[in-house]
Amino acid sequence: GAGVSQSPSNKVTEKGKDVELRCDPISGHTALYWYRQSLGQGLEFLIYFQGNSAPDKSGLPSDRFSAERTGGSVSTLTIQRTQQEDSAVYLCASSLGPGQREKLFFGSGTQLSVL
Amino acid sequence: GQSLEQPSEVTAVEGAIVQINCTYQTSGFYGLSWYQQHDGGAPTFLSYNALDGLEETGRFSSFLSRSDSYGYLLLQELQMKDSASYFCAVNKIIFGKGTRLHILP
Repeated sequence: GAGVSQSPSNKVTEKGKDVELRCDPISGHTALYWYRQSLGQGLEFLIYFQGNSAPDKSGLPSDRFSAERTGGSVSTLTIQRTQQEDSAVYLCASSLGPGQREKLFFGSGTQLSVL
Repeated sequence: GQSLEQPSEVTAVEGAIVQINCTYQTSGFYGLSWYQQHDGGAPTFLSYNALDGLEETGRFSSFLSRSDSYGYLLLQELQMKDSASYFCAVNKIIFGKGTRLHILP
């Protein structure tokens, strides 16, 4: 696609429910990143994929969070048993490769609200 | 721990020049990036430094001193559309909390 696409753009859920967030990276981009951004805060790194592998998942805050990437393209971030502190904007970004000089292209994010 | 420090807010006048500083403390360093984010929007890439010195891209320049673990973003000829938050990032995974730039007419 022309850009990084994330869905849904907004998700309201009840505490304790599971949610799935989807990211479609730019075609041909092998590196994919997930971040979380709370209101007025910086970006908190969650996980990085190179192809279908996740060499760095150090940012996942708990075992309720998991992510996968299939076909070297689409990625889903799953949050199980959501808590109110999970409320944030979840941003996905992709880059052409894993090199540090390769710039990140961000999607518009999923605003998650846990009631 | 790993951290990036940048001012929370900066105010400048339209047409002027402003500098946003970033100091970092990280285990391992490959490069410093800068991103712009308008309210409600996605971050967009501005600049990247891997080596010491100044990188210039139009009205925006970015500087890095690896020995000082310090960098800055310089915005010249400020325009109202530059009102946004600016984030420095190390190694694409460690982001600062952002500097909100207010521009006065």
